Amino acid sequence: GEDVEQSLFLSVREGDSSVINCTYTDSSSTYLYWYKQEPGAGLQLLTYIFSNMDMKQDQRLTVLLNKKDKHLSLRIADTQTGDSAIYFCAESLTNSNSGYALNFGKGTSLLVTP
Amino acid sequence: GAVVSQHPSRVICKSGTSVKIECRSLDFQATTMFWYRQFPKQSLMLMATSNEGSKATYEQGVEKDKFLINHASLTLSTLTVTSAHPEDSSFYICSAFWTSGGINEQFFGPGTRLTVL
Repeated sequence: GEDVEQSLFLSVREGDSSVINCTYTDSSSTYLYWYKQEPGAGLQLLTYIFSNMDMKQDQRLTVLLNKKDKHLSLRIADTQTGDSAIYFCAESLTNSNSGYALNFGKGTSLLVTP
Repeated sequence: GAVVSQHPSRVICKSGTSVKIECRSLDFQATTMFWYRQFPKQSLMLMATSNEGSKATYEQGVEKDKFLINHASLTLSTLTVTSAHPEDSSFYICSAFWTSGGINEQFFGPGTRLTVL
């Protein structure tokens, strides 16, 4: 599919908030997702947002969706060293060939320093 | 959340051999599973959609004769890399699709690191 864009790297201090941004491509995507990947591991679903929502909050995570600009963001409050990982933005594909497959961004590597 | 396993987690093989990777949904049935491939510092690229009881659907540019997919049961899909070459070395990740009450989720396996010498 077309490229889902994310910044590649973000560094924050422990206790600060992290904001990871994403621009997706398919305006008809039903769901937009944030996944976390730790080194050598598979993907862990962090949260998702339905396309008719503007915001979703889940404990330390806040997702904002701007459908007009096709912009998605993930805010992590009180970032901890254990949050260091790669974060992938993904959109659900509406291509009938792929069914409900996902189109991923390249991932943002988050480094949390003490 | 639901658990998806992959086996093996790592495999090293000689060029020209075939390698089978298993993807299992452990606590739910998945009529649809997906196979992705991830190169270092790159995103996951969808390779194919695996449907239980029918032929897999491959993405453009993915050779179906090279990457054989079998989804023989509702909890197991296999990917066989035939006549593997060094350029097939990659991280292969499967996911199992689950839907309920209008919510769609994919649960990912931990991935299989394939190294072809």
